[in-house]
Amino acid sequence: EPEVTQTPSHQVTQMGQEVILRCVPISNHLYFYWYRQILGQKVEFLVSFYNNEISEKSEIFDDQFSVERPDGSNFTLKIRSTKLEDSAMYFCASSEQDSINSPLHFGNGTRLTVT
Amino acid sequence: KNEVEQSPQNLTAQEGEFITINCSYSVGISALHWLQQHPGGGIVSLFMLSSGKKKHGRLIATINIQEKHSSLHITASHPRDSAVYICAPLQTSGSRLTFGEGTQLTVNP
Repeated sequence: EPEVTQTPSHQVTQMGQEVILRCVPISNHLYFYWYRQILGQKVEFLVSFYNNEISEKSEIFDDQFSVERPDGSNFTLKIRSTKLEDSAMYFCASSEQDSINSPLHFGNGTRLTVT
Repeated sequence: KNEVEQSPQNLTAQEGEFITINCSYSVGISALHWLQQHPGGGIVSLFMLSSGKKKHGRLIATINIQEKHSSLHITASHPRDSAVYICAPLQTSGSRLTFGEGTQLTVNP
């Protein structure tokens, strides 16, 4: 069964550094999402992306964050100048249609540790 | 008050028991997702529903839009059902899921 893949599985970075989290969504999916989960807390929405542009973003998704679909297969989340509080598990998800009409398929996550 | 409330927060059952997890929400929604999160962190979609009832194997999900309430039922529970179950409504005219805190289910043999 096709799946969403995320790399790396674990990323350790120093405060102030830039990180890029990578995702390969399922090939025929058109809607893409990033969510994050701080340890011990609930999952939070960051951003949704469709037709090469952001369709919705949360209050968390400030100028420090950006997303890109650089080619036909990858979907990336860039965090500029990381802070300690950015430490979390970041989940990429994709769906064939919008989330009213089709389920989300999640990757296994990238655990980001900022030291 | 949280927009999404799940109960119970923790549930321990014996193998074979019938399980019910409840979800109440305070916002207008266009659909509601039930998800399962494994100990390793991976998230799997179980159901997406906007009305009535859906069944998949031993799992049943129901929703009452007027009462803003949904339930997830597991029949003949098994230790492999042990996981966190999360209710995540999709707010009207948006694309974001609002996740509940989750219910930690442990099924003992």
